[in-house]
Amino acid sequence: NAGVTQTPKFQVLKTGQSMTLQCAQDMNHNSMYWYRQDPGMGLRLIYYSASEGTTDKGEVPNGYNVSRLNKREFSLRLESAAPSQTSVYFCASSNLNYGYTFGSGTRLTVV
Amino acid sequence: QQQVKQSPQSLIVQKGGISIINCAYENTAFDYFPWYQQFPGKGPALLIAIRPDVSEKKEGRFTISFNKSAKQFSLHIMDSQPGDSATYFCAASRNNAGNMLTFGGGTRLMVKP
Repeated sequence: NAGVTQTPKFQVLKTGQSMTLQCAQDMNHNSMYWYRQDPGMGLRLIYYSASEGTTDKGEVPNGYNVSRLNKREFSLRLESAAPSQTSVYFCASSNLNYGYTFGSGTRLTVV
Repeated sequence: QQQVKQSPQSLIVQKGGISIINCAYENTAFDYFPWYQQFPGKGPALLIAIRPDVSEKKEGRFTISFNKSAKQFSLHIMDSQPGDSATYFCAASRNNAGNMLTFGGGTRLMVKP
């Protein structure tokens, strides 16, 4: 019973490099989310997918793109990384009226 | 804009004491208010949640108090233990917004032995 699995756990990028953060859930949840966590800022929503085939912008979408590959997988892509994107990224999933299940996070540093 | 404001940012409590964390929200359409607990290096985990049709919900040592007219809710941890040391987040969502949560800024709780 893995829940929500995120890869990689850690990543260091140079400014301008690109990368994709992977997320998969095995709970048959409809909705999936990407948040970033910064000190004192709480968790801010980047993008979400209410159901397979749909994606929508959250509070801080600039510099990111997402793909809902299927019901299980929701990836986050940084096309040209910037130091301001240094953060801890969390993927989560849920069904309506239930709480989120979070992954263990990806700690990203952009130098 | 921050739709859910959480205070304090950090809190130190002696073992056995009561920890109190407060949150205030602006959007009257919010109808689901969960609290999440996060240990270092881990993702947040759902701790307890409340809907606005009740004013209080208790699960073990954890209680949510909800004041709809004041648009405030709080988490009380009774008999706080060192193992409760973690970061706590309040959150809120609207049922017709796909369960999309808006989080408070977090409170880092330290319980001293």
